[in-house]
Amino acid sequence: NAGVTQTPKFQVLKTGQSMTLQCAQDMNHEYMSWYRQDPGMGLRLIHYSVGAGITDQGEVPNGYNVSRSTTEDFPLRLLSAAPSQTSVYFCASSYQREAYEQYFGPGTRLTVT
Amino acid sequence: DAKTTQPTSMDCAEGRAANLPCNHSTISGNEYVYWYRQIHSQGPQYIIHGLKNNETNEMASLIITEDRKSSTLILPHATLRDTAVYYCIARTSGTYKYIFGTGTRLKVLA
Repeated sequence: NAGVTQTPKFQVLKTGQSMTLQCAQDMNHEYMSWYRQDPGMGLRLIHYSVGAGITDQGEVPNGYNVSRSTTEDFPLRLLSAAPSQTSVYFCASSYQREAYEQYFGPGTRLTVT
Repeated sequence: DAKTTQPTSMDCAEGRAANLPCNHSTISGNEYVYWYRQIHSQGPQYIIHGLKNNETNEMASLIITEDRKSSTLILPHATLRDTAVYYCIARTSGTYKYIFGTGTRLKVLA
């Protein structure tokens, strides 16, 4: 199993640009989530999904969209990038909807100038 | 979900037990306590979780006080590779949101 994969590893955007961060898992996990981590801070939940076709908002959803059309993929879309969205983005998945044990991807480091 | 409080940083000698405390005085009866760690800039790694009883797995032990207002994560024989930020999280059963705080930065010293 590849586990949780994220692409790209690094990205630089200009203010106002849009882009999609990709997340995929090959473990047939029901639960997937997106977090952001700002320097020196803990992780904050952006959006999560408990199964294909089901998504919900986390702590900091503004400026981001998600969809879950398949069990494997959970892309995160930045609609109009802002410097405040400069952060490291982590995707995670868990076998159970309860997400007792989450597996995290390696992260995408995003800089918005 | 209950707020958790952890010390900002701790040191531990290599080979000794590392005891990481967490205060969750407002925890309710159906809130689990979870521990994750983050080594350098990697994605966090699940360690252990529990509700009332003490738990042990191959990585660590979790000791929860009888009143459930605090808990301790124990790494029995810390190694240099255990240097990381450790997060204690309280989460209500049946909800799907994790609230990570800023955690405890554990440094294992040679």
